[in-house]
Amino acid sequence: KAGVTQTPRYLIKTRGQQVTLSCSPISGHRSVSWYQQTPGQGLQFLFEYFSETQRNKGNFPGRFSGRQFSNSRSEMNVSTLELGDSALYLCASSPGTGQFYGYTFGSGTRLTVV
Amino acid sequence: QKEVEQDPGPLSVPEGAIVSLNCTYSNSAFQYFMWYRQYSRKGPELLMYTYSSGNKEDGRFTAQVDKSSKYISLFIRDSQPSDSATYLCARVRGSTLGRLYFGRGTQLTVWP
Repeated sequence: KAGVTQTPRYLIKTRGQQVTLSCSPISGHRSVSWYQQTPGQGLQFLFEYFSETQRNKGNFPGRFSGRQFSNSRSEMNVSTLELGDSALYLCASSPGTGQFYGYTFGSGTRLTVV
Repeated sequence: QKEVEQDPGPLSVPEGAIVSLNCTYSNSAFQYFMWYRQYSRKGPELLMYTYSSGNKEDGRFTAQVDKSSKYISLFIRDSQPSDSATYLCARVRGSTLGRLYFGRGTQLTVWP
């Protein structure tokens, strides 16, 4: 069974640009959540989508947005990039309903803003 | 007060030692607790999850939840150099299933 796939693995962007990250969950999983990981703040929750609807949202500015498609694949977008947005962005998938199996993470997208 | 508190370490032990990793949580409205292992430049890997309270064992790993003291622990028996990684505890509340609250992670080094 394929795991959670995140693309691209690495990105370098300039301040002020925007970026889109992609996440393909495990087949059959309908919940996708996104996290930002930095050395200073650890893992911080961005948002979670379930069946194309945002179900939970963290405390990030509106520059961070996401969406989920009918095949459960998800994208997150960051507009007007700032230096502080440099981080490892992780997505996790789970069935989202029924028996709990935990959350499986992808390898992440490392974003560097210069 | 943070949802989950975890001592960042670092923790350094010799091969074969028993390792104890601990977290505390602040809210009793919990549902599941998880332990993740994260190698450098990789995503977190789910090791174990437990519900509510009690123990769960999987090979060399044992997860324990103590409701009375709001303490969650991970024990690693016969530790190996390949166990060297950052260990993260996390919880998810029933009311916000889908949102994980993470500790800061404990960096573990097992030396041969």
